[in-house]
Amino acid sequence: QVQLVQSGAEVKKPGASVKVSCEASGYTFTDFFIHWVRQAPGQGLEWMGWIHPHSGAATSAQKFQGRVTMTRDTSISAAYMELSGLRSDDTAVYYCARTGLREISWGQGTLVTVSS
Amino acid sequence: QLILTQSPSASAALGASVRLTCILSSGHSSYAVAWHQQRPEKGPRFLMKLNSDGGHNKGDGIPDRFSASSSGDDRYLTISSLQPEDEGDYYCQTWGTGIPLVFGGGTKLTVL
Repeated sequence: QVQLVQSGAEVKKPGASVKVSCEASGYTFTDFFIHWVRQAPGQGLEWMGWIHPHSGAATSAQKFQGRVTMTRDTSISAAYMELSGLRSDDTAVYYCARTGLREISWGQGTLVTVSS
Repeated sequence: QLILTQSPSASAALGASVRLTCILSSGHSSYAVAWHQQRPEKGPRFLMKLNSDGGHNKGDGIPDRFSASSSGDDRYLTISSLQPEDEGDYYCQTWGTGIPLVFGGGTKLTVL
């Protein structure tokens, strides 16, 4: 079955960068989009962007443009999301999600805490 | 601009039924949506994809108590025979290929 396994929790200082990984298994990695979604404490789900692993093409929400970089390594079926210029309001759980033909699969989430 | 509107909260008694609504902004009535459940302190769980014609595809292991339907701009999630484990937040989200995921604000469901 489809599995997305994310990297562990991170604590970063303001201004730093964080890179979250998402390792996929159970399907052909290059066939489906990977999306990145975050959830701040007590808030709803917020879409950050997507990458298509086959081409590497990526697009991000306007809010994150210039700060987010999405990449992939097809040799190990992994996607990455790097967020730079971290601020306290970037403290959130970050999820990767695969949009399949008829279903969506979620990673377990990665807590990123930004604190001085 | 595509916007999904959900009521912030809903409640129903244990064993009863509840219908949650997701309203698509004007001009987007052909869009399919996905419904997700998020239990307290857990990550989102895909429930089902719901087409504009009411057809839907459930995720693996989703009980028959969960169903969905569509009417115009409205997308519904109905949960029957409510159980304590159904408490949590429910999100609708646009469905498409290579397009941004737009989420509704979520509905917090309380089982009384």
